[in-house]
Amino acid sequence: AQTVTQSQPEMSVQEAETVTLSCTYDTSESDYYLFWYKQPPSRQMILVIRQEAYKQQNATENRFSVNFQKAAKSFSLKISDSQLGDAAMYFCAEGFSSNTGKLIFGQGTTLQVKP
Amino acid sequence: GAGVSQSPSNKVTEKGKDVELRCDPISGHTALYWYRQSLGQGLEFLIYFQGNSAPDKSGLPSDRFSAERTGGSVSTLTIQRTEQRDSAMYRCASSLTGLAGVTDTQYFGPGTRLTVL
Repeated sequence: AQTVTQSQPEMSVQEAETVTLSCTYDTSESDYYLFWYKQPPSRQMILVIRQEAYKQQNATENRFSVNFQKAAKSFSLKISDSQLGDAAMYFCAEGFSSNTGKLIFGQGTTLQVKP
Repeated sequence: GAGVSQSPSNKVTEKGKDVELRCDPISGHTALYWYRQSLGQGLEFLIYFQGNSAPDKSGLPSDRFSAERTGGSVSTLTIQRTEQRDSAMYRCASSLTGLAGVTDTQYFGPGTRLTVL
């Protein structure tokens, strides 16, 4: 079975500092996509960043970037210059081109940002 | 434009009762997904609709769960004879086509929090 693991239930970071959230996945598929979603207290689910497995270059969206290590099946999220609004639960997810668009999610990491 | 909406936002029911949860996808989106999020857990896929194709029901946990999508738009998730273990946040998502698999961005609704007493 495909699994996504987030080994850090909780993380904290000082405002303006950098934090990295870890994610590992387990798949035998060759064509897949990886995602980070943010879930703030408002209960929204917001797509933060997406990485295509066939791309070697790490995806970047403003202060958010990923470290995609395909051989190690690792997909960490780096948040630079952390802001109070970054406080949320972050979910890593995986999806496959050979399948419907259903996503497999990790357990989530709660990020606290300290002023 | 309007995002994905779900109703009710909260639902409290007694064990054994049936419940219906509603999802209104983004206008024009042909793909619709239902997920379940138990407390402290990630989202678990339940069912997927794409256009007029047969739905992918592979994630439904039991035959007490069913879903339909009328007119290719609004979807209803029904849980019959609810049990306490059904208590969770139920989230709906939609994407533009679904034909591109996960290359289509999924937009999530705010969820319905179901509590079964």
